[in-house]
Amino acid sequence: EIVLTQSPGTLSLSPGERATLSCRASQSVSSSYLAWYQQKLGQAPRLLIYGASSRATGIPDRFSGSGSGTDFTLTISRLEPEDFVVYYCQQYGSSPWTFGQGTKVEIK
Amino acid sequence: EVQLVQSGAEVKKSGESLKISCQGSGYTFPNYWIGWVRQMPGKGLEWMGIIYPGDSKTKHSPSFQGHVTISADKSISTAYLQWNSLQASDTAIYYCVRENNGYFDYWGQGALVTVSS
Repeated sequence: EIVLTQSPGTLSLSPGERATLSCRASQSVSSSYLAWYQQKLGQAPRLLIYGASSRATGIPDRFSGSGSGTDFTLTISRLEPEDFVVYYCQQYGSSPWTFGQGTKVEIK
Repeated sequence: EVQLVQSGAEVKKSGESLKISCQGSGYTFPNYWIGWVRQMPGKGLEWMGIIYPGDSKTKHSPSFQGHVTISADKSISTAYLQWNSLQASDTAIYYCVRENNGYFDYWGQGALVTVSS
């Protein structure tokens, strides 16, 4: 099973700043089958990025994904107030699909 | 518009059985894998397993194999997650998800299952 480790656990930033979230896999994720989700408090997660770098429908272009192999990054170019929530990565290159433990982005 | 609508919250006792549902609409239900994701209180997301409603083929995470049953009725566009004997540790929110080539592009609203001992 591929273990995904997200860092940092909590990221403290101000609105307008750039956020860089990391997701590291215990082994290579084939074909960059890596997705990112956003979860607001009390809501179901929402797909942001799939295939490591493709934005899902309706996702603002301030969200971008990059990486390959074992190292992946979600970047939020300019934080809006609604972006201060929790983010998860998920790999689907090797069964069982697995999630990272999440990164919380909080207001500094 | 694609929608996954789940059944409501449940409160059960240890040892009881339970079946929760997820009805899909706005797309061709038999043609997409439907999965289940668990979120324990204050914790992260865990993939439990998936089913292809077209032929009822399933795949399970080893962590959940044997403890839950995933099924589907394509005639009513509904997937199910079932327990024969609940444990207190099953207390969680359960999300159904539509799988699109491995990632989850649509999520149900979640169903809170509370199991008391």
